[in-house]
Amino acid sequence: DAGVIQSPRHEVTEMGQEVTLRCKPISGHNSLFWYRQTMMRGLELLIYFNNNVPIDDSGMPEDRFSAKMPNASFSTLKIQPSEPRDSAVYFCASTFTGRDQPQHFGDGTRLSIL
Amino acid sequence: RKEVEQDPGPFNVPEGATVAFNCTYSNSASQSFFWYRQDCRKEPKLLMSVYSSGNEDGRFTAQLNRASQYISLLIRDSKLSDSATYLCVVKAFYGGATNKLIFGTGTLLAVQP
Repeated sequence: DAGVIQSPRHEVTEMGQEVTLRCKPISGHNSLFWYRQTMMRGLELLIYFNNNVPIDDSGMPEDRFSAKMPNASFSTLKIQPSEPRDSAVYFCASTFTGRDQPQHFGDGTRLSIL
Repeated sequence: RKEVEQDPGPFNVPEGATVAFNCTYSNSASQSFFWYRQDCRKEPKLLMSVYSSGNEDGRFTAQLNRASQYISLLIRDSKLSDSATYLCVVKAFYGGATNKLIFGTGTLLAVQP
């Protein structure tokens, strides 16, 4: 079975450019999560969706970040304009709603802003 | 205070050793508990869920103490391939937001030959 699929795997771009990260959750999962991981701050939840609806975006750092989930099989995380401090690994994860359901992570996108 | 706290390590142990990781959580409403493993430059992967009665999966044993808000992971007969960062993870109830996981910062394990 296909797991969570993220693209691109790596992205290197100059500051000020728009960056779009993509995620396809596991088929049938109804919750999707975007995380950011850095050495300094560890794994941080940015935003999550239940049934395509954003539930908690309190972790989104600032207005430069936005996320959408237009349907159950696709989500995007956009950074515009990007800054060097946005450099990190961005993970997408999905799960079923349920008390003991774990989350399954994609391979991540390694983002470098020059 | 962080919601989930772990000793960051590193824990350097020889092959065959037994090693234990501890974790505390602050939200008494926490409902579900997990240990994840993360290899260098890889995504976190579920190692095992943690149940109230304690549970075992091969060389791995997880324990939960709700009264003390404490979770542990014991690895017996450690292998070189066990070298990774182990993340303590807690799911708490936040009103209608029942799927949110809180991750500890992880404990780094290095098993030496």
